[in-house]
Amino acid sequence: DTEVTQTPKHLVMGMTNKKSLKCEQHMGHRAMYWYKQKAKKPPELMFVYSYEKLSINESVPSRFSPECPNSSLLNLHLHALQPEDSALYLCASSIPGELFFGEGSRLTVL
Amino acid sequence: GENVEQHPSTLSVQEGDSAVIKCTYSDSASNYFPWYKQELGKRPQLIIDIRSNVGEKKDQRIAVTLNKTAKHFSLHITETQPEDSAVYFCAASGSARQLTFGSGTQLTVLP
Repeated sequence: DTEVTQTPKHLVMGMTNKKSLKCEQHMGHRAMYWYKQKAKKPPELMFVYSYEKLSINESVPSRFSPECPNSSLLNLHLHALQPEDSALYLCASSIPGELFFGEGSRLTVL
Repeated sequence: GENVEQHPSTLSVQEGDSAVIKCTYSDSASNYFPWYKQELGKRPQLIIDIRSNVGEKKDQRIAVTLNKTAKHFSLHITETQPEDSAVYFCAASGSARQLTFGSGTQLTVLP
């Protein structure tokens, strides 16, 4: 299994909603990532989990809250988002230096 | 930290011609250089990568070259086809073992 699976594929939410994005991989990778990507821009790193511990948090606003329940799962909890948070959210897992991206969750904040 | 610059930002070529995209990096400790292709509405897909112990790698119509002394690497696509049209991102893995991406190149192959 060489897939990183993300759900949902599309999400529309209001600024007062609470929602979560989910990511799963079964490749045995011990590093997992959340990236945010705007159209035709490179992915921007948000969070890195290494061995289920948060190792990098790139000054992301607290309205984004990551969670890593186990080595195969990664969640991103969303609360009180702003319209400018609308983007493609990509989960990835890796062996050192090599990223495997999920298909992404396209988020629209109204 | 690592800084990756990518040029050009847009590139149009006629079908059948070659396309070259260039990147420079700043961290001399970087040792892994992947290239991603991203079609509209889809995830970035790894198309080729190179490690610092080789100077060139080829996979059918795609090749990557690396000059460690000058700290630059390039993607070469020969005999371009319309399906090669996409945004291409270079990246470098620096001493922090994270990927730093270039700003992207929108490649358009004209039929």
